[in-house]
Amino acid sequence: DAMVIQNPRYQVTQFGKPVTLSCSQTLNHNVMYWYQQKSSQAPKLLFHYYDKDFNNEADTPDNFQSRRPNTSFCFLDIRSPGLGDAAMYLCATARLTPDEQFFGPGTRLTVL
Amino acid sequence: QKEVEQNSGPLSVPEGAIASLNCTYSDRGSQSFFWYRQYSGKSPELIMFIYSNGDKEDGRFTAQLNKASQYVSLLIRDSQPSDSATYLCAVNEGNNNDMRFGAGTRLTVKP
Repeated sequence: DAMVIQNPRYQVTQFGKPVTLSCSQTLNHNVMYWYQQKSSQAPKLLFHYYDKDFNNEADTPDNFQSRRPNTSFCFLDIRSPGLGDAAMYLCATARLTPDEQFFGPGTRLTVL
Repeated sequence: QKEVEQNSGPLSVPEGAIASLNCTYSDRGSQSFFWYRQYSGKSPELIMFIYSNGDKEDGRFTAQLNKASQYVSLLIRDSQPSDSATYLCAVNEGNNNDMRFGAGTRLTVKP
């Protein structure tokens, strides 16, 4: 089945220790998104790729970086995680923008 | 600041009743509107999308859009306990095609 996969599902890191979250998709979608969602809040868009074009949200901290080496994979790098970065990180894909987005299962990040 | 507003709830309805979920948005240029369901600890899953004014029905779900009033709603008929979840309204921003989500309404359907 075509799908969006995120690894790991749960990630524990220490304050200031870099962490990388990964997302892969078999849908062959052009667009890949990264969202941060904290408890009882709306998913907050961090950035997205349209093919190889990177689009950063104005209020996304520099601590968050992303890479998309090919159509199928996209990575979220958090260079120096703080306690406030503990959240669910959601990857989503879409054929086009705007279009319905398909979400992966998410990675829950805990920062100790 | 462009906003998507939802009543956070919780909205509680008895099994078999109609649940009505509402959403307002501030960007008049928005063209596409989506409803996602999110179970606790899970990722959002798409229920419906609507682009045109009026109603769109899919099974027990009906989306209603009124662009003049900048209002979109989701009706769930014959509500089931399995419908208990948070429902997220999402609106595309007309100028840059990003999707903006509301914070969601938590629905509880009581047996």
